Amino acid sequence: GAVVSQHPSRVICKSGTSVKIECRSLDFQATTMFWYRQFPKQSLMLMATSNEGSKATYEQGVEKDKFLINHASLTLSTLTVTSAHPEDSSFYICSAIPRDRGFNEKLFFGSGTQLSVL
Amino acid sequence: LAKTTQPISMDSYEGQEVNITCSHNNIATNDYITWYQQFPSQGPRFIIQGYKTKVTNEVASLFIPADRKSSTLSLPRVSLSDTAVYYCLVGNSGYSTLTFGKGTMLLVSP
Repeated sequence: GAVVSQHPSRVICKSGTSVKIECRSLDFQATTMFWYRQFPKQSLMLMATSNEGSKATYEQGVEKDKFLINHASLTLSTLTVTSAHPEDSSFYICSAIPRDRGFNEKLFFGSGTQLSVL
Repeated sequence: LAKTTQPISMDSYEGQEVNITCSHNNIATNDYITWYQQFPSQGPRFIIQGYKTKVTNEVASLFIPADRKSSTLSLPRVSLSDTAVYYCLVGNSGYSTLTFGKGTMLLVSP
């Protein structure tokens, strides 16, 4: 099956610093990747859709200058939380759709990154 | 985007069959129904997907009536390790983003 690797799994940082999270599709090429955020005991909330070679599409209410997304290759997308603050503490999850698959293709998810901002 | 409604929580005991129903009244013709399982501090994991009638794999069955306005995930003989949140998603991931609903928290007790 398709594997999505997300790194790091956990990060603790000081307020004001930037944190980069990587999402890699290990055995398939992904034209499209998605970034979600999940607060404790809540559902996943879509933050942005990342398309290889183009700008990401952000959901309403998500600050694109704060959450920088780069999808420079068909196997890697990165999410950078810039000038992180305690309210950015959350569980971040990426997912990917294999390239050239049918429109009913299921999503493959990374294992998530727990971000704690002190 | 088709909105989904699921029970917030369900309780069961080991060895029982669990059926979780999801309502999606405004499902579109080209939408598929997909169920995911999520354990705490992990990303969701695909369970099963269907378009109509019945689909079965090694872990679950998915029942979809003819009008496709609902679907039922059936987990046979659950164990403690099936305690998780189960999400029903409706859409076609290749052309539209998939929105997660609140999910169903299944608690399996000994």
